Amino acid sequence: QQQVKQSPQSLIVQKGGISIINCAYENTAFDYFPWYQQFPGKGPALLIAIRPDVSEKKEGRFTISFNKSAKQFSLHIMDSQPGDSATYFCAASMQNTGNQFYFGTGTSLTVIP
Amino acid sequence: ETGVTQTPRHLVMGMTNKKSLKCEQHLGHNAMYWYKQSAKKPLELMFVYNFKEQTENNSVPSRFSPECPNSSHLFLHLHTLQPEDSALYLCASSQDPRGGATDTQYFGPGTRLTVL
Repeated sequence: QQQVKQSPQSLIVQKGGISIINCAYENTAFDYFPWYQQFPGKGPALLIAIRPDVSEKKEGRFTISFNKSAKQFSLHIMDSQPGDSATYFCAASMQNTGNQFYFGTGTSLTVIP
Repeated sequence: ETGVTQTPRHLVMGMTNKKSLKCEQHLGHNAMYWYKQSAKKPLELMFVYNFKEQTENNSVPSRFSPECPNSSHLFLHLHTLQPEDSALYLCASSQDPRGGATDTQYFGPGTRLTVL
């Protein structure tokens, strides 16, 4: 059973628009939720992460919104740029039970100039 | 070299070949990982090493054999692979979470493996 479900699978956004990627999880023991960004030919790189004691975290144009009761979290990219075109993965983990991260299936984002 | 490096970047092998993937981290981390990345699938954790000791083996077939000689190097030995093993193999490293350190995993660029 997939622990983290991610949608959409692909997303096309105009330059300057808002990109929104959603993830949902079942295990309420998860307490760390990172987002990774992957460019072609590169490994995933940590973009932004949140813990469930806050409902929102913002870093520059990237914001994570977290809804603990709904067991959902989302990534918002404001003023999307062509350089943001990449694959985005959400993930979840439990800090004190080892190194296991559960990843979503990824969202391929294309920002059109 | 900085971060996490992987060699080779591309590998084509027959089903009867034996090959090895290499990963090296220059971050002073104590945990290293092998992941398999296939199209439209979640990243699959294969193996975890903490302080050179294997702590996770997620039901990976024995045709994949990891080796961690020290906390900076990680190998994945491959033999008698199947075409469905073709994928991007990613190495990652992190501080040991058991020590309360950051959970961030730093990934290498991966090895694109094709099994004919």
